[in-house]
Amino acid sequence: DQQVKQNSPSLSVQEGRISILNCDYTNSMFDYFLWYKKYPAEGPTFLISISSIKDKNEDGRFTVFLNKSAKHLSLHIVPSQPGDSAVYFCAASANDYKLSFGAGTTVTVRA
Amino acid sequence: SAVISQKPSRDICQRGTSLTIQCQVDSQVTMMFWYRQQPGQSLTLIATANQGSEATYESGFVIDKFPISRPNLTFSTLTVSNMSPEDSSIYLCSVKAGGNQPQHFGDGTRLSIL
Repeated sequence: DQQVKQNSPSLSVQEGRISILNCDYTNSMFDYFLWYKKYPAEGPTFLISISSIKDKNEDGRFTVFLNKSAKHLSLHIVPSQPGDSAVYFCAASANDYKLSFGAGTTVTVRA
Repeated sequence: SAVISQKPSRDICQRGTSLTIQCQVDSQVTMMFWYRQQPGQSLTLIATANQGSEATYESGFVIDKFPISRPNLTFSTLTVSNMSPEDSSIYLCSVKAGGNQPQHFGDGTRLSIL
């Protein structure tokens, strides 16, 4: 039972434009949400997180938005750069710290 | 963040054999986890490695197949036992410090079973 869903397997965006990645979840007990970036042959790298008490968190070019009523979060990357080309995973946890991951979205930034 | 070293980085094994994967962290951490990423799929939690006691396994994973040790706060091992081709995956160690720190991952062990 997939509790975290990323329905877009891939996204192509032009350099300098905005990348928007979406994630939906079904478990109402989730209270902490994270985004990871993964390059080939490397482990996932933590990008940004948000607690359920907030609806927005920003870190440089990366912003995560949380809509609890819709059980939806999104990651905005502005402006997109070629080095952002990677697989992005959405993850969520309840108070037990165990992470449930989405299937991932492959982002390709075109020059 | 903590520096996490996983060994081996990759291996090719014969079916029926076992392989032990090591995870070493450069600082003491509260929690350590083991995940699996099967080809073309997302990461799935295998178990939480508990220091000085038996690991806590997720549904679908059992100790006889995936024995885990965590003798101290910086080191853990995962053994994949009696391997079959279906065990071909990337196995990843993650660690979490206390408080609201996120989990950080090692680079994984790419395992292929012939």
